Amino acid sequence: GAGVSQSPSNKVTEKGKDVELRCDPISGHTALYWYRQSLGQGLEFLIYFQGNSAPDKSGLPSDRFSAERTGGSVSTLTIQRTQQEDSAVYLCASSIVAARGGKQETQYFGPGTRLLVL
Amino acid sequence: AQSVSQHNHHVILSEAASLELGCNYSYGGTVNLFWYVQYPGQHLQLLLKYFSGDPLVKGIKGFEAEFIKSKFSFNLRKPSVQWSDTAEYFCAVNARNTDKLIFGTGTRLQVFP
Repeated sequence: GAGVSQSPSNKVTEKGKDVELRCDPISGHTALYWYRQSLGQGLEFLIYFQGNSAPDKSGLPSDRFSAERTGGSVSTLTIQRTQQEDSAVYLCASSIVAARGGKQETQYFGPGTRLLVL
Repeated sequence: AQSVSQHNHHVILSEAASLELGCNYSYGGTVNLFWYVQYPGQHLQLLLKYFSGDPLVKGIKGFEAEFIKSKFSFNLRKPSVQWSDTAEYFCAVNARNTDKLIFGTGTRLQVFP
């Protein structure tokens, strides 16, 4: 595709409900990243997928957060039993590969999903 | 653990003023360095990056950044800002032996005509 797309663009949910956020990376990109952008907090790394390797989940803030990537393309970030502190913009990025020859490849970001937990 | 500090949270300038946004990182090994920009209502996009070689890196729209290894810094500069430079700017660091980018908290730049 032309760029990274994310859906929905906005999501309002009630505390305790589960939400699913979707990311469609750029076609051919094997690396996919999820970040969270909270007000005044910058971008917080959540999880990263590279090809068929096991994902790096080291940034997930709790076991309520999980993500999967099907067929090496589309990814879904799931937040179970949402809390108000989960309110943030969730950004997805993709790159051709994660790193090549020691060089981090440029990450291309999607527009984000703005999540509001009431 | 790696961390990135952007000490200027909000910068307000008039057009034609010079800009310098600070970025410091904490990591003792070899790093790759990036500046990303987010214009109002748009996606984050790469402004410039440093991997190796000349420590003065030129980016898009007249921006440049200088890597000073001894100071663990990668400050962003532009000699004369324009109203269209109003945006949020993020510094990011990647240690050579990892695949993750660590971002700073961002600097909001407002340029008034």
